[in-house]
Amino acid sequence: DAGVIQSPRHEVTEMGQEVTLRCKPISGHDYLFWYRQTMMRGLELLIYFNNNVPIDDSGMPEDRFSAKMPNASFSTLKIQPSEPRDSAVYFCASSQWTGDRTEAFFGQGTRLTVV
Amino acid sequence: QKEVEQNSGPLSVPEGAIASLNCTYSDRGSQSFFWYRQYSGKSPELIMFIYSNGDKEDGRFTAQLNKASQYVSLLIRDSQPSDSATYLCAVNRDDKIIFGKGTRLHILP
Repeated sequence: DAGVIQSPRHEVTEMGQEVTLRCKPISGHDYLFWYRQTMMRGLELLIYFNNNVPIDDSGMPEDRFSAKMPNASFSTLKIQPSEPRDSAVYFCASSQWTGDRTEAFFGQGTRLTVV
Repeated sequence: QKEVEQNSGPLSVPEGAIASLNCTYSDRGSQSFFWYRQYSGKSPELIMFIYSNGDKEDGRFTAQLNKASQYVSLLIRDSQPSDSATYLCAVNRDDKIIFGKGTRLHILP
């Protein structure tokens, strides 16, 4: 398997524009996580899905953020409108429930810069 | 109180010595515990997991878990320059994986 695939790897956009980040999880994994990483706040969990259903979106910072998972092989995180404080690295991760060892496998991340 | 707490470091350790990284968590319902390593500009990768009290060894790495004290640690023996990275502690609570902010480890040649 190719692992978790994210696109784009880098995104530079102007304040106020819509940004869409994409993720393809590992085939067969039933959990998908979106994280945001900054120096100040570390790796924050934004939202996670189980079998394509959003389970907990309490980490989504504002209504400007939304995430969807229309099928088992694709998810998007959208920011509309984007602001400079949204600049961060966004990671998607997936996992397969195996009881005590339900580890997350990460994609390579999308570095977002909002100017 | 954050759910997972780590000292941000940097922690400087001479090459060949033992590096000791610590983590505390707040929710007693946490079920399993992970240590991830993240090199600068890269994504986190799993190096150890533990879910029972006690020690778990894998090569140069030992994870230690004390659920009564809500404490997880990672020991790296015979530290190498390639171990220089940020180490993230994570807990799995009801299938939700929460990370600490990480400890930067610097191995001095």
